[in-house]
Amino acid sequence: QKEVEQNSGPLSVPEGAIASLNCTYSDRGSQSFFWYRQYSGKSPELIMFIYSNGDKEDGRFTAQLNKASQYVSLLIRDSQPSDSATYLCAVRTPGNQFYFGTGTSLTVIP
Amino acid sequence: GAVVSQHPSWVICKSGTSVKIECRSLDFQATTMFWYRQFPKQSLMLMATSNEGSKATYEQGVEKDKFLINHASLTLSTLTVTSAHPEDSSFYICSARDSSTMGEQFFGPGTRLTVL
Repeated sequence: QKEVEQNSGPLSVPEGAIASLNCTYSDRGSQSFFWYRQYSGKSPELIMFIYSNGDKEDGRFTAQLNKASQYVSLLIRDSQPSDSATYLCAVRTPGNQFYFGTGTSLTVIP
Repeated sequence: GAVVSQHPSWVICKSGTSVKIECRSLDFQATTMFWYRQFPKQSLMLMATSNEGSKATYEQGVEKDKFLINHASLTLSTLTVTSAHPEDSSFYICSARDSSTMGEQFFGPGTRLTVL
């Protein structure tokens, strides 16, 4: 079982819709959770992190964490074509290990 | 957010030569830096974890004698690809962990290596 799992997609949404990206993790004691965005040919950039159960909002992005279900998601409201990228979920475990998912490819259709 | 730089951003070299890539954290101290490799349309692959002042920890299948890592200071780590071959052509990305915050990793812009 992989430490972090994501649906590779591709996920396509129309412009203006909500894109929902999901991630599950295996280490129940994991403490911090991160979402990165990676454009083709570029390195990943941090979008946001979350460490408490519930929702965390930053602009059009909302991260949701459910530790009981070992599930973290990223919602992108009012999706724009410029949001088209691969989104990587990352988890930091109690052992201070950092694991990335394989990423979900998102395409926002104008 | 914190800034991580990499140099060079791209390099072309002949087979058999060695290439050094530098990774610097510009506005924070990074006790831990990571080196990744990414082939086209594939996910990030962690190569090694570099801790300042100690030997790097390599992932399974990564040759430590081929990919030399030095983390001499809290702001600089280097990766040297020794005796490069065409199959080493890839996108090499470093990241640095900001130990003063939630421990999130900040990525450098990457180095595209092409070995002829």
